[in-house]
Amino acid sequence: AQSVTQPDIHITVSEGASLELRCNYSYGATPYLFWYVQSPGQGLQLLLKYFSGDTLVQGIKGFEAEFKRSQSSFNLRKPSVHWSDAAEYFCAVVLFNTNAGKSTFGDGTTLTVKP
Amino acid sequence: GAVVSQHPSWVICKSGTSVKIECRSLDFQATTMFWYRQFPKQSLMLMATSNEGSKATYEQGVEKDKFLINHASLTLSTLTVTSAHPEDSSFYICSAARGTGSYEQYFGPGTRLTVT
Repeated sequence: AQSVTQPDIHITVSEGASLELRCNYSYGATPYLFWYVQSPGQGLQLLLKYFSGDTLVQGIKGFEAEFKRSQSSFNLRKPSVHWSDAAEYFCAVVLFNTNAGKSTFGDGTTLTVKP
Repeated sequence: GAVVSQHPSWVICKSGTSVKIECRSLDFQATTMFWYRQFPKQSLMLMATSNEGSKATYEQGVEKDKFLINHASLTLSTLTVTSAHPEDSSFYICSAARGTGSYEQYFGPGTRLTVT
């Protein structure tokens, strides 16, 4: 079945430490890939996206993600986490040739940052 | 650019009444808008895809008669929850895709609906 998986429900890191959030997808073809961040009671903010080309993409707030076709993964990374990064993170995919923008989201990963 | 607003940001209504939520693209034309529902600590669940000038396409399991969607212009889509019940209480988020064939969507800030 087609799906998006975020294996880690909750991650806690210390401020200043590095971060990696995992995302795997299961589709017949390479979808368009996105990472969003959501603060409590807020909408979603796009961190970065991958459509094609360079498999390492840079986003806002110092985030980057690497697309690995062989692993069907699109993991999000940040070298040094700030307390303000505490939030919910969602990986999403859009299939090529579907309704424009129709997204499927992973279950999300809650990031807690320790001082 | 690419700002999407929602109104109201939160609403409380009594069981049995209807409530309308607006989603507007402020600085671009949105051929397609999407409505999502999000329960606490859960992911976004797509409810329907709204295309300007045509009927919305609902996801499996979403009641069309309960969640009425209208996309009357390229900048406005509305979601009306009819005969609301406490189980309809949720966070509703809309998003808009800019232009035809755009695979990137822009999200509104969400509307918190509480049905008492």
